[in-house]
Amino acid sequence: AQTVTQSQPEMSVQEAETVTLSCTYDTSENNYYLFWYKQPPSRQMILVIRQEAYKQQNATENRFSVNFQKAAKSFSLKISDSQLGDTAMYFCAVSGETSGSRLTFGEGTQLTVNP
Amino acid sequence: GAVVSQHPSRVICKSGTSVKIECRSLDFQATTMFWYRQFPKQSLMLMATSNEGSKATYEQGVEKDKFLINHASLTLSTLTVTSAHPEDSSFYICSARAGSIAKNIQYFGAGTRLSVL
Repeated sequence: AQTVTQSQPEMSVQEAETVTLSCTYDTSENNYYLFWYKQPPSRQMILVIRQEAYKQQNATENRFSVNFQKAAKSFSLKISDSQLGDTAMYFCAVSGETSGSRLTFGEGTQLTVNP
Repeated sequence: GAVVSQHPSRVICKSGTSVKIECRSLDFQATTMFWYRQFPKQSLMLMATSNEGSKATYEQGVEKDKFLINHASLTLSTLTVTSAHPEDSSFYICSARAGSIAKNIQYFGAGTRLSVL
């Protein structure tokens, strides 16, 4: 079984500043993958960043980076130099190899970037 | 990144009719596709996993006779909502897995908003 918890239903940040979104998870799998997806007002789900649990190095994609703490089962997303286009719902998700690549999503965090 | 096309984007139908939603992977082959349902301001709820050439696997509580899934080719999966009722009104999203299970990346369609009158 897999569970994902996002404890921040809403967050806001000023343009150009940095914000961190929290996520904790639980899984019984030894090999699993963690994801952050964003869903802007268009409702198109967009992959932001992906982390393989067996890799210790934190994933980075341009302004987006993660802080992966495997022992604590924590997977936070840091957005640097926030832009207005980053306004969206952000979902943390986990997927394990033996679960047939099924994604389990958290409840989501609505991020608003203010000008 | 890989592109997944979902059609139609919006459909309005009368109660009792059936509606078909298509999900296509445009630039990759997808042996596995997924169908989700999303209520306003909520997360995605997995309805079923669609495997090419075999029967779909439905999540607990999802009626397979109500939500018919067909995955006839490596690039196309369809979801048919049969005898739709107002409570079936929702946002339906498909995704397709690109690559092997080890890569495990799902790419999503733009979703279909279904309104049943």
